[in-house]
Amino acid sequence: EDKVVQSPLSLVVHEGDTVTLNCSYEVTNFRSLLWYKQEKKAPTFLFMLTSSGIEKKSGRLSSILDKKELFSILNITATQTGDSAVYLCAARGNTGTASKLTFGTGTRLQVTL
Amino acid sequence: GAGVSQSPSNKVTEKGKDVELRCDPISGHTALYWYRQSLGQGLEFLIYFQGNSAPDKSGLPSDRFSAERTGGSVSTLTIQRTQQEDSAVYLCASSLVAGGNTIYFGEGSWLTVV
Repeated sequence: EDKVVQSPLSLVVHEGDTVTLNCSYEVTNFRSLLWYKQEKKAPTFLFMLTSSGIEKKSGRLSSILDKKELFSILNITATQTGDSAVYLCAARGNTGTASKLTFGTGTRLQVTL
Repeated sequence: GAGVSQSPSNKVTEKGKDVELRCDPISGHTALYWYRQSLGQGLEFLIYFQGNSAPDKSGLPSDRFSAERTGGSVSTLTIQRTQQEDSAVYLCASSLVAGGNTIYFGEGSWLTVV
């Protein structure tokens, strides 16, 4: 059974801190790993990673994938209160003609003043 | 459309009634996914469509749940004889093609069974 595990489950930091969110995965015929930010209902896309060791960066957020050790990290530097959200990691596997994302339970980040 | 559109956004129903949730994916997206998120939980995969066929419906929790997609576009998730444990946000997502592409989520349908 495909599985994605995120840690920590929740995190409270002060504005300006740097945080690292972890995601480990076990999926059949791994294709890609995706990070989403969920503030209200709809998760919004952050990154898609397919190759090991290549950092993807968007402003203060960055992410990297290690396909050998089966994990990814999401880094947020100089955190702001607007970064408060649940961060979801999802791994895409491919079995035959099917393709689905398996999500972790998320890391709830709270950034305080 | 510009984004994935879901309706209704909120639905309160009595236990035992049937409900239909609708998803209109991004125009041109051939893959469509349904997920369920219970309060404080992660996203639970329900079913995936490629065109009008469902190669993977392994996540449907029981035979009370069914989904269809017509014209390679709109999808309907039907829950028959709703139970209180069905209360959750039902999220629909779509991607251009299956596999290796970003998927985009709708705002979800919040279902409450009383």
